Amino acid sequence: GENVEQHPSTLSVQEGDSAVIKCTYSDSASNYFPWYKQELGKRPQLIIDIRSNVGEKKDQRIAVTLNKTAKHFSLHITETQPEDSAVYFCAASIGTGRRALTFGSGTRLQVQP
Amino acid sequence: DTGVSQNPRHKITKRGQNVTFRCDPISEHNRLYWYRQTLGQGPEFLTYFQNEAQLEKSRLLSDRFSAERPKGSFSTLEIQRTEQGDSAMYLCASSGRTPQTGELFFGEGSRLTVL
Repeated sequence: GENVEQHPSTLSVQEGDSAVIKCTYSDSASNYFPWYKQELGKRPQLIIDIRSNVGEKKDQRIAVTLNKTAKHFSLHITETQPEDSAVYFCAASIGTGRRALTFGSGTRLQVQP
Repeated sequence: DTGVSQNPRHKITKRGQNVTFRCDPISEHNRLYWYRQTLGQGPEFLTYFQNEAQLEKSRLLSDRFSAERPKGSFSTLEIQRTEQGDSAMYLCASSGRTPQTGELFFGEGSRLTVL
């Protein structure tokens, strides 16, 4: 089955700095890669996703890059703000909805004001 | 509130007892998922329904766990003869009808504590 590894497990940055979280996956058939944000005590929520037919996707301060050859993808947050503090999970699946997502173990991001 | 709802939100039980959780997905969503999350870990897949059909089950799901979605709407997850290792947050999620809508909408979760 699919295996997703995520690094780092914790990340502390100063407000305004950039943050990068990296994930690798094992199943070369995976073609859908979402990122979820989970604030303390809240449910995970989708913040951005990418499909294997593109290499990069950007939404305001958030971007995701995908390298299918190396089987890794990354989340980039620029101009970090204290409200970005949360746990971020990457995930991978074969198809969107036809198979279950496999999640990484999460990265706790702390943005210091 | 038209989001995914789960109940009970918290359940404390003694080892060996049975527990059942209920999930009501977003009404127009035909796909429903159960995940388990322990502290400091990502959601771990348990099982997946498309309408009333259970299409996928994790190899990690022991025979003490059973899930149903009898009419393709709400779902229940039952754990029989609970063990302390079953203590976790049980998350339900649903997603839409088209292959392009991959986003999972999670509920608030049901937290299980087995004493």
